[in-house]
Amino acid sequence: NAGVMQNPRHLVRRRGQEARLRCSPMKGHSHVYWYRQLPEEGLKFMVYLQKENIIDESGMPKERFSAEFPKEGPSILRIQQVVRGDSAAYFCASSQGTGVSEQYFGPGTRLTVT
Amino acid sequence: GENVEQHPSTLSVQEGDSAVIKCTYSDSASNYFPWYKQELGKRPQLIIDIRSNVGEKKDQRIAVTLNKTAKHFSLHITETQPEDSAVYFCAASHHTNTGNQFYFGTGTSLTVIP
Repeated sequence: NAGVMQNPRHLVRRRGQEARLRCSPMKGHSHVYWYRQLPEEGLKFMVYLQKENIIDESGMPKERFSAEFPKEGPSILRIQQVVRGDSAAYFCASSQGTGVSEQYFGPGTRLTVT
Repeated sequence: GENVEQHPSTLSVQEGDSAVIKCTYSDSASNYFPWYKQELGKRPQLIIDIRSNVGEKKDQRIAVTLNKTAKHFSLHITETQPEDSAVYFCAASHHTNTGNQFYFGTGTSLTVIP
C-alpha cells in the first residue's frame, strides 16, 4: 500500500509531556501538509513542508509546536508540554508538489491529553 | 491570500433526492478544485476534482461545476443514498514556485434520510 502513512494512530499523553507524530508521504510525493481537526470542526492548516524545508508555517502556534521533514525518514510534528486543548485529530497529507497535483490524506493520529 | 467559503454548513435530503454544495474562492490564480468526503472517524478522501480549463466533470452520481468568472464551484450528488451521509470539504489550490498550497472550506455535513 503506497498511501500516506501516519503513526501512531492513537496517542495518549499527560499534560506537560511531549507528543511526536509521524507521517510518511505517498510514494513519489515530496510535499507534506499537517492539519488539526477538533471534533465536528473543519480542517485547520498548520504547516507545509518539503524535504529539509518549511514552505509555510503560518498556521502553526509559535510556541510548543514544531515540524520537520528530514532528507531521510518521515515528517514529524512535535508538540512539547502538551495541554488539554491540544487533544484533536492530526492529519497529514501529501502531494507531488510539482505542477497542479492532488493531495491525499493519511488516516490521522488521535491525540488525547489527560 | 485565498479565502474559500462553503455553504450550507448542514444539509438534509431524502434518499433519492439531489444534494448541492457550493463554494466560492477569492484568488483568481486558483486553478485546481478538489472535493473531499469525510466519514465519521475517518480521513478526508478525495472524491472528485476539477481543473480550471474544464467547466464540468462527472463521475457516476457525483459532478462538479466550475464558474471561473464568478469564482464559484459546486458539488452535485444525484440519487442520494444513506452512505452519502458524511462531511464534505471543498478546496482551492494553485501551483507556485514553492509548491501547492490548499485552502479548505469549512465543510458541509450532509445527512441522507432513508
